[in-house]
Amino acid sequence: GQQLNQSPQSMFIQEGEDVSMNCTSSSIFNTWLWYKQDPGEGPVLLIALYKAGELTSNGRLTAQFGITRKDSFLNISASIPSDVGIYFCAGQGAGGTSYGKLTFGQGTILTVHP
Amino acid sequence: DTEVTQTPKHLVMGMTNKKSLKCEQHMGHRAMYWYKQKAKKPPELMFVYSYEKLSINESVPSRFSPECPNSSLLNLHLHALQPEDSALYLCASSPGTYRESNQPQHFGDGTRLSIL
Repeated sequence: GQQLNQSPQSMFIQEGEDVSMNCTSSSIFNTWLWYKQDPGEGPVLLIALYKAGELTSNGRLTAQFGITRKDSFLNISASIPSDVGIYFCAGQGAGGTSYGKLTFGQGTILTVHP
Repeated sequence: DTEVTQTPKHLVMGMTNKKSLKCEQHMGHRAMYWYKQKAKKPPELMFVYSYEKLSINESVPSRFSPECPNSSLLNLHLHALQPEDSALYLCASSPGTYRESNQPQHFGDGTRLSIL
């Protein structure tokens, strides 16, 4: 099946630093999604990307849909302690269905030291 | 606050028990999903319901039995589970219409299931 390679697997940074993580795929996706998951909670949607080349921001977060439709990155600027958590990328295909099955990356565990 | 509500939040059960997990959404979504998630791993898809009909079963053992009583509710019936079934069970929903087929899934906070 499809696989997403998400890197890095974990990051330990100081508060105030910028963070960058990315996902690559061997297959094309129609939509790229970035979720954050805190302990004891479900994944929360951060950013959704719908067009190749699209660059979208949400506060301190910026994400891009790669031009080849096989990759995406997420940047977090000026990190704060509440950015701690696991970040998942997910590719969504259309495939003729009325819903899109998600293919998840393995996650990036982010730790922010005050 | 998540718009997908799951109950209970925690469940401990023996291997011979029968229990059910419940999921509810009032966003008018027509696609609903069950996922299983192990610690620090991505969610794994189990079932997909589209317009209240089971569309996908990802080769899930029969001790897990999904049910969609109406467009807002999704249940997962559990029976004779094994210790390795201990995990976080997540429910998600998406618009699920052809026009909105690229709209993302929204997740509940999950049920933490422990099998003794």
